[in-house]
Amino acid sequence: EAGVAQSPRYKIIEKRQSVAFWCNPISGHATLYWYQQILGQGPKLLIQFQNNGVVDDSQLPKDRFSAERLKGVDSTLKIQPAKLEDSAVYLCASSLVVRGMFTEAFFGQGTRLTVV
Amino acid sequence: AQSVAQPEDQVNVAEGNPLTVKCTYSVSGNPYLFWYVQYPNRGLQFLLKYITGDNLVKGSYGFEAEFNKSQTSFHLKKPSALVSDSALYFCAVHRDDKIIFGKGTRLHILP
Repeated sequence: EAGVAQSPRYKIIEKRQSVAFWCNPISGHATLYWYQQILGQGPKLLIQFQNNGVVDDSQLPKDRFSAERLKGVDSTLKIQPAKLEDSAVYLCASSLVVRGMFTEAFFGQGTRLTVV
Repeated sequence: AQSVAQPEDQVNVAEGNPLTVKCTYSVSGNPYLFWYVQYPNRGLQFLLKYITGDNLVKGSYGFEAEFNKSQTSFHLKKPSALVSDSALYFCAVHRDDKIIFGKGTRLHILP
């Protein structure tokens, strides 16, 4: 079974530039998550999709971050414009819903973003 | 509100000794508890989970965890640590369609 694919692995941009990350979840996984992990901290949920609908985006800084999951499969996360504090690893994960219960999440390798 | 606490930022254990990584939770209703591990420059990997049933659950790489409802704890354990177990460990609770992570505990296994 192929895992969660993310690209790029690394990205360095200057502040005020824009950047986009891509995620392809495991086939058949309806739930897709984007997490931000700042060095030394646990992952923080940015947005959660169920198929192509948003379940939770309460912690997404909507003035600069946006995400979409067209057709309920792969997803993109965009930052425009980037700030220094956006430097972090962005993790994508997906999971199944089995009999109404969410199973464990499967994570991609992440994209390490450095804003200079 | 649902929350997970990992009281130790770092745990050091000598190779061959038993290890414990602590986790406590605050969840209304029945908790679904998970442990994930993160190796350097890698994404998180699922280790084990407790949904219901036996309080002692076994997972990958020889790890196990004990669910203790009275102490609201879900500590991760391994009888004999390996140097390769050195990594960042996250406790998580799945509730209301969300996954909430603890801040993580860095485990150092000393050769």
